[in-house]
Amino acid sequence: ETGVTQSPTHLIKTRGQQVTLRCSSQSGHNTVSWYQQALGQGPQFIFQYYREEENGRGNFPPRFSGLQFPNYSSELNVNALELDDSALYLCASSLATGDAYEQYFGPGTRLTVT
Amino acid sequence: SQQGEEDPQALSIQEGENATMNCSYKTSINNLQWYRQNSGRGLVHLILIRSNEREKHSGRLRVTLDTSKKSSSLLITASRAADTASYFCAFSHSGGYQKVTFGTGTKLQVIP
Repeated sequence: ETGVTQSPTHLIKTRGQQVTLRCSSQSGHNTVSWYQQALGQGPQFIFQYYREEENGRGNFPPRFSGLQFPNYSSELNVNALELDDSALYLCASSLATGDAYEQYFGPGTRLTVT
Repeated sequence: SQQGEEDPQALSIQEGENATMNCSYKTSINNLQWYRQNSGRGLVHLILIRSNEREKHSGRLRVTLDTSKKSSSLLITASRAADTASYFCAFSHSGGYQKVTFGTGTKLQVIP
């Protein structure tokens, strides 16, 4: 167990709807990253938050947005869902110190868009 | 694409044998990490090797890094059925924020 939790575990939404996924970071960690993992693929970096500010973004459209709260918990919001958004969404928390760090992953949220 | 490539895509071995997985990347990196994932769930961090290190050990795991060839390998010795999982390399890029790019993964099956 990493101490990183995500909710919900599974979610089924309809194309065009909006979804919010939640992540609770490991205690003491100030950085959270979100990843999308399609079936049979490696995780793809969506964005990272450090001390409540977006700190970097991968190749994802603006309908993917996020928040990090003062207690370092985080949300991933996806608007106007598309079928290709069906994937496992993973959050990972870390402590930003220097150039080498270890990410602790949550169990993921499985999103299905129909 | 900056995504790492892993080889082989899938590997099936007998319990007790060694398993070797390879990862190649294209950019300059700060460090490279290996993760394990069971059945499409969360990833578990296995080992991190910095760009100025060549080899690192952790239990039955041995990782090598060759920055001149932009490649890394993960060796699992004396494999067990419980090692059955997907293994991913992931590297953090030089400069800027701590973006981590994952490889395509190797699916390992250890047959009892």
